[in-house]
Amino acid sequence: EIQLVQSGGGVVQPGGSLRLSCTASGFTFEEYAMHWLRQVPGKGLEWVSLISGNGVTTYYADSVKGRFTISRDNKKDSLYLEVNSLRAEDTAVYFCARDRGLRDFDWFPGVWGQGTPVIVSS
Amino acid sequence: DIQLTQSPSSLSASVGDRVTITCQASQDIGNYLNWYQHKPGQAPKLLIYDASNLEAGVPSRFSGSGSGTDFTFTISSLQPEDIGTYYCLQYDNIPPLTFGGGTKVGVK
Repeated sequence: EIQLVQSGGGVVQPGGSLRLSCTASGFTFEEYAMHWLRQVPGKGLEWVSLISGNGVTTYYADSVKGRFTISRDNKKDSLYLEVNSLRAEDTAVYFCARDRGLRDFDWFPGVWGQGTPVIVSS
Repeated sequence: DIQLTQSPSSLSASVGDRVTITCQASQDIGNYLNWYQHKPGQAPKLLIYDASNLEAGVPSRFSGSGSGTDFTFTISSLQPEDIGTYYCLQYDNIPPLTFGGGTKVGVK
């Protein structure tokens, strides 16, 4: 069974930083791209970032580019999101997701984690 | 960036009713469109990929159709457990991947 266990969310002041983690099991982690997505309270879903299976290719939404960094440790079956220079509008539930793995370079989220909340407040 | 316009934003239907949601892309995306279900407090779930392919384990009452710029998602017979918010997602010409605004489905 595919499992994605998330941790690292919390309350942080504007301008602060957090590191979100997502530990995977039930599949060969290095073979799949991984995504981060979020849902702002009362709003819809937003894609945030993706990283290829080997970690070479990374993409970001314009809203987080330069402030967020996606990374992975294939030896630890873990995905990370370093979130810096946090703003009130970054307050959201953050989800990690395994790519569906349908075709090379056609990347989209398949199985999602349960989410972890990030609250930016003074 | 490709924009997705999803409608309606909410609907309420009776158990057994046929429910239809539409998603219009701002440019041709071929069939690079998915549908997800999101229930409060749960992980979103992939239902349909490549516009019309049913994900494994998803009940056959869910279906999708369309290509290019116009797409449709259908629940053939609404069940109480189908309550939630449904989103379309395009993954053509990424980044970014973009979602429609969502349709909140309720049962009368």
